[in-house]
Amino acid sequence: AQSVTQLGSHVSVSEGALVLLRCNYSSSVPPYLFWYVQYPNQGLQLLLKYTSAATLVKGINGFEAEFKKSETSFHLTKPSAHMSDAAEYFCAVNHSGGYQKVTFGIGTKLQVIP
Amino acid sequence: DVKVTQSSRYLVKRTGEKVFLECVQDMDHENMFWYRQDPGLGLRLIYFSYDVKMKEKGDIPEGYSVSREKKERFSLILESASTNQTSMYLCASCVRSSYNEQFFGPGTRLTVL
Repeated sequence: AQSVTQLGSHVSVSEGALVLLRCNYSSSVPPYLFWYVQYPNQGLQLLLKYTSAATLVKGINGFEAEFKKSETSFHLTKPSAHMSDAAEYFCAVNHSGGYQKVTFGIGTKLQVIP
Repeated sequence: DVKVTQSSRYLVKRTGEKVFLECVQDMDHENMFWYRQDPGLGLRLIYFSYDVKMKEKGDIPEGYSVSREKKERFSLILESASTNQTSMYLCASCVRSSYNEQFFGPGTRLTVL
């Protein structure tokens, strides 16, 4: 079965500091991986996705993630945190089979300290 | 822009009531999903549908049913609401492809008293 593990349910960074949100996946087949962001009182929106085209994936709002097969990781980074980055972030892995069933991690709440 | 709308942002119901949550998408997506979101548990899949009148159980279907009579509309039904169904409910849709992202509605926060 495919799954994702997000390390750290809460992460705090100072404004301007590096953001690193960790995600490790478990998959018996090459996975499709996603990062979503949820701002307060909103639904989720896609930040970026890995579909095997390139291991370094760039997303919206300056975020990027690197797929590392040897480490089964897909960590999300941003060089410099902004106050508007405060949100909850979800890593997700797609199940193969065509119905696009996705398993989400438990989420990481990012706090940005001024 | 893809738009997924949910019928209510906030809903308060009493134990034992029948509850309908409606979701509509305007992009002709084949797949639609219902999740519930609880603190510390992330998103858990309740049901999904890959075509009109087709449905598949997700990870936590107990106490819920769904209906998809039209391609754009996917309804979640709580036959007899209970307090442990108090949660945030999120609807999503996507095209039928392994690598396409899901598009989410804003969510319905349901409180069962």
